[in-house]
Amino acid sequence: AQKVTQAQTEISVVEKEDVTLDCVYETRDTTYYLFWYKQPPSGELVFLIRRNSFDEQNEISGRYSWNFQKSTSSFNFTITASQVVDSAVYFCALRSGSNYKLTFGKGTLLTVNP
Amino acid sequence: KAGVTQTPRYLIKTRGQQVTLSCSPISGHRSVSWYQQTPGQGLQFLFEYFSETQRNKGNFPGRFSGRQFSNSRSEMNVSTLELGDSALYLCASSTEQGTGELFFGEGSRLTVL
Repeated sequence: AQKVTQAQTEISVVEKEDVTLDCVYETRDTTYYLFWYKQPPSGELVFLIRRNSFDEQNEISGRYSWNFQKSTSSFNFTITASQVVDSAVYFCALRSGSNYKLTFGKGTLLTVNP
Repeated sequence: KAGVTQTPRYLIKTRGQQVTLSCSPISGHRSVSWYQQTPGQGLQFLFEYFSETQRNKGNFPGRFSGRQFSNSRSEMNVSTLELGDSALYLCASSTEQGTGELFFGEGSRLTVL
């Protein structure tokens, strides 16, 4: 069985602060994929990043960075110098083995205040 | 390139009725998945289709069904609606088999009264 835990239900920061969203996953498969999605109020889930289980390189994309650690089954997401437009619900998700579905965490509501 | 299009965006039904939701994937994408999002249960997988075949199904009752057409467009149907079926129904498409990222539509928000 697969499981994704996002322990932080809500986070509130002031603009320009750095913020890290935590994600812990569980799977027995050796091949799996991890994702982060952003859901603004409009409802659409916006794809941010995909990582496969064989690539533990951390990635940086502008103000976004991701830290993948298989040893702790974590795939954390950091926003540097947060902006009001970053306010949204962020979901971590897992797809593993031959299973075609995504298992989502409960999401973290990030509010960036001006 | 047009994104995933879902219709209708909003709808209100009463208990016992049925509803059909439609999803047009991104051009060239052959995999379509459906998810239900509720405040209590979060995002839950309903089913996934590839080339008109259902490859995987989530833990939902038989009242929830779907299909995919030869042009990759997909529909899902919920019969005998219950209050608990009120949710945002999200459709996603993908071009790769099992490894690619999913691209989501804006969803169909169903309210059951």
